[in-house]
Amino acid sequence: EDKVVQSPLSLVVHEGDTVTLNCSYEVTNFRSLLWYKQEKKAPTFLFMLTSSGIEKKSGRLSSILDKKELFSILNITATQTGDSAVYLCAVEAGGSNYKLTFGKGTLLTVNP
Amino acid sequence: NAGVTQTPKFQVLKTGQSMTLQCAQDMNHEYMSWYRQDPGMGLRLIHYSVGAGITDQGEVPNGYNVSRSTTEDFPLRLLSAAPSQTSVYFCASSYSGFRTQYFGPGTRLLVL
Repeated sequence: EDKVVQSPLSLVVHEGDTVTLNCSYEVTNFRSLLWYKQEKKAPTFLFMLTSSGIEKKSGRLSSILDKKELFSILNITATQTGDSAVYLCAVEAGGSNYKLTFGKGTLLTVNP
Repeated sequence: NAGVTQTPKFQVLKTGQSMTLQCAQDMNHEYMSWYRQDPGMGLRLIHYSVGAGITDQGEVPNGYNVSRSTTEDFPLRLLSAAPSQTSVYFCASSYSGFRTQYFGPGTRLLVL
């Protein structure tokens, strides 16, 4: 059974702090790892990672994948209150029809 | 483009009732999926479809039926609602695979 584990489950920081969210996985036939941001509505796509060691960056957010150690991290620098959300990690894996397995998410709260 | 639309936004059912959650997309996407999201559980895949006329089970298919008669529509049927099906249901679509899925706004279902 495919597993995706995120840590921590929740995190409270102050504006301006830097945070690192973790995602580890155990799946068969890995294809890609995806990060989503969810703010009390539908998840919105952040990054897709397929290759180890290549950092994806978008503004203050960045992510990297380690396919040898089977994990990914999502970094957010200079956090703002608008970064408060649940961050979901999902892994696409499987046989002829790839499926998506989600982690339980990390609830990030950024206080002013 | 409306993207992915879901109806209703909110529904209350009594145990044993049946109903259909509607999902439609106007992006000509081949892949469509249904997820449920429960507190602390992340998103779990219920059923998915890789094209019109083709459906397959996800992680938690019991108690749900789907069909895909057109590319645009992917309804989810609850045959006999149970309190354990109280959840938020998201429909998603993508052009190919589960990468960069577009999520609908969700349907909040309460089964009493």
